[in-house]
Amino acid sequence: LAKTTQPISMDSYEGQEVNITCSHNNIATNDYITWYQQFPSQGPRFIIQGYKTKVTNEVASLFIPADRKSSTLSLPRVSLSDTAVYYCLVGPRGYTTSGTYKYIFGTGTRLKVLA
Amino acid sequence: EAGVTQSPTHLIKTRGQQATLRCSPISGHTSVYWYQQALGLGLQFLLWYDEGEERNRGNFPPRFSGRQFPNYSSELNVNALELEDSALYLCASSPPVGRGADTQYFGPGTRLTVL
Repeated sequence: LAKTTQPISMDSYEGQEVNITCSHNNIATNDYITWYQQFPSQGPRFIIQGYKTKVTNEVASLFIPADRKSSTLSLPRVSLSDTAVYYCLVGPRGYTTSGTYKYIFGTGTRLKVLA
Repeated sequence: EAGVTQSPTHLIKTRGQQATLRCSPISGHTSVYWYQQALGLGLQFLLWYDEGEERNRGNFPPRFSGRQFPNYSSELNVNALELEDSALYLCASSPPVGRGADTQYFGPGTRLTVL
C-alpha cells in the first residue's frame, strides 16, 4: 500500500505560485495520483489527476518525476479563495490482478493564502 | 448534471444504536466509495462498491457495512455505534471501469454525531 505524506501547512500571498508536494514511496505500477481541494464541512473537490510527467488543466499543474515516488501540485497565482486543505490520493484505476484496491489519501496540507 | 448526493445531512445517535447513511452517485457512475473523516483528521477509506459488489474495504471493524443497489445508490450501515464513530462520512462515485478516468467525485457528506 502506498503511504502518502504531505506538509501539514503552508502560507502564501495572493498572486504567488504555490507548490505542494506529496511523497508516496511505495506507489504501485497501476496507481494514479489525484489531488483534491477541501473546504470545511464539504466534500473534496477534484483538481487534477496524473500518472507520470506533467499534466496541466485550467486550474493547476501536476508534476510527477520518473520514479513516481512523489508528486507536486502547482497552483498558479493563488487567491484568498484558494485557502483550503489539499489532499493527494494514490490509488488504482480500473481493476488489477492483485485484487488490492486501497485508496490512500495523504495527510492533507492546509494552505492559507494571505492578502 | 446533478452531483453526488448524500442523506441525511446531519445525524445524531446515541452509543449502541445503528446509523444508516445514504448516497446517490452521479448518473452513469457505477462505483461508490465511502470514506470517514474524523474531526481535524484526513480521509480514511472505508468501502468500495462497484456493480453491486463490495470490491474492497479499509481497516474498519465489521460493524461498518454497506450495500449497493441495482440503481447504483448505496447505503452505509454502522452498528453498535461508539463515540469515536462521530465523523463526516463522505461518499464518492466514479464512472464504469474502463470508461475514462476513474476520478472520484465526492458528495457533501453526512455529519454523524454519537452521544
